[in-house]
Amino acid sequence: GIQVEQSPPDLILQEGANSTLRCNFSDSVNNLQWFHQNPWGQLINLFYIPSGTKQNGRLSATTVATERYSLLYISSSQTTDSGVYFCAVDGPPSGTYKYIFGTGTRLKVLA
Amino acid sequence: KAGVTQTPRYLIKTRGQQVTLSCSPISGHRSVSWYQQTPGQGLQFLFEYFSETQRNKGNFPGRFSGRQFSNSRSEMNVSTLELGDSALYLCASRGQGYLSGNTIYFGEGSWLTVV
Repeated sequence: GIQVEQSPPDLILQEGANSTLRCNFSDSVNNLQWFHQNPWGQLINLFYIPSGTKQNGRLSATTVATERYSLLYISSSQTTDSGVYFCAVDGPPSGTYKYIFGTGTRLKVLA
Repeated sequence: KAGVTQTPRYLIKTRGQQVTLSCSPISGHRSVSWYQQTPGQGLQFLFEYFSETQRNKGNFPGRFSGRQFSNSRSEMNVSTLELGDSALYLCASRGQGYLSGNTIYFGEGSWLTVV
């Protein structure tokens, strides 16, 4: 099955710093989402982005499907950005919506 | 619009017991999927239901089962609980249509501890 790798596994930043999180996947994907898991366990949807670029405030994401990777950019980080960021992909066959999650990037933003 | 609602949020069970978890999807969503999250295995897909039919199943033993009702609410059941079943169980719902049909939204999860 499809493999998903995220890097870096851990990241510590000072408030105000920028960061880039990477997600590599081993096969073509039908769907790709980025999530932020808060300290209470809930997975918050950040982006649905199987290809292209999207922006939402201080966050933006780019997926280059032909090269099998996606990037999540966090600018001017805040302490509330702390948590674990997951990339999840759904590969062929289409229509399964059986998401495979990466192991996540644990982000800690220091005040 | 209310989000995905999972109940109960926290529960403690004894080995050998069974447990039932409930999930109410976002209004209008007909697809519900379940995931298990543990420190050792990460997030793993359990199963997906659409219009009361199981469409996909992950690699879990038969002790894990689920169902979906006509109002799209879903339940999952784990029988003969083992210590390793201690986990956060997450439910996600998905809508239909071009604009909203591919994004999944998660509930807050049910924390299960087996002792």
